[in-house]
Amino acid sequence: GENVEQHPSTLSVQEGDSAVIKCTYSDSASNYFPWYKQELGKRPQLIIDIRSNVGEKKDQRIAVTLNKTAKHFSLHITETQPEDSAVYFCAARTDKLIFGTGTRLQVFP
Amino acid sequence: NAGVTQTPKFRVLKTGQSMTLLCAQDMNHEYMYWYRQDPGMGLRLIHYSVGEGTTAKGEVPDGYNVSRLKKQNFLLGLESAAPSQTSVYFCASSHPYGYTFGSGTRLTVV
Repeated sequence: GENVEQHPSTLSVQEGDSAVIKCTYSDSASNYFPWYKQELGKRPQLIIDIRSNVGEKKDQRIAVTLNKTAKHFSLHITETQPEDSAVYFCAARTDKLIFGTGTRLQVFP
Repeated sequence: NAGVTQTPKFRVLKTGQSMTLLCAQDMNHEYMYWYRQDPGMGLRLIHYSVGEGTTAKGEVPDGYNVSRLKKQNFLLGLESAAPSQTSVYFCASSHPYGYTFGSGTRLTVV
């Protein structure tokens, strides 16, 4: 079955710097790759997603890139702000959505 | 339009007791899922359904059963609760993309 690995597990950056989180997946049939932000005690919230026929997608300060050949995808957050602090999860989908283990991002003022 | 609603929000069970968690969605989504999230960890798929009357096993199905008798409802059952099942349970639905999550059920088994 699908396996999703996510790195790093924790990431600390200064406000205004960029943050990059990377994921790899095992099932080449995966066709949908969302990223979620989860704040403490709350449900995961979709922040951006990409489908397998697209290599890159951007939404304001957030971008996702996909390399199907290497089976990896990345989340890029530019100009980080303290409110970006949360746990971020990547996921990959065939007929079911499998999550990575999460990255705790801390943005220091 | 409530989205995905989970009941109950909190529950404490004794070891060996049974219970059912209810997930209801009003978006006419075909796909529904149950995940569990342990402290400091990611979401692990328990069971899922690709349509009314169908169910399939996910990553961690042991100790759980599910039913999808109606398209809008997905039930998760624990027949004999164990302390290892203490977790936060999230339900989600999709069409098949654009997942919507419920607010979660915090279950403690003592």
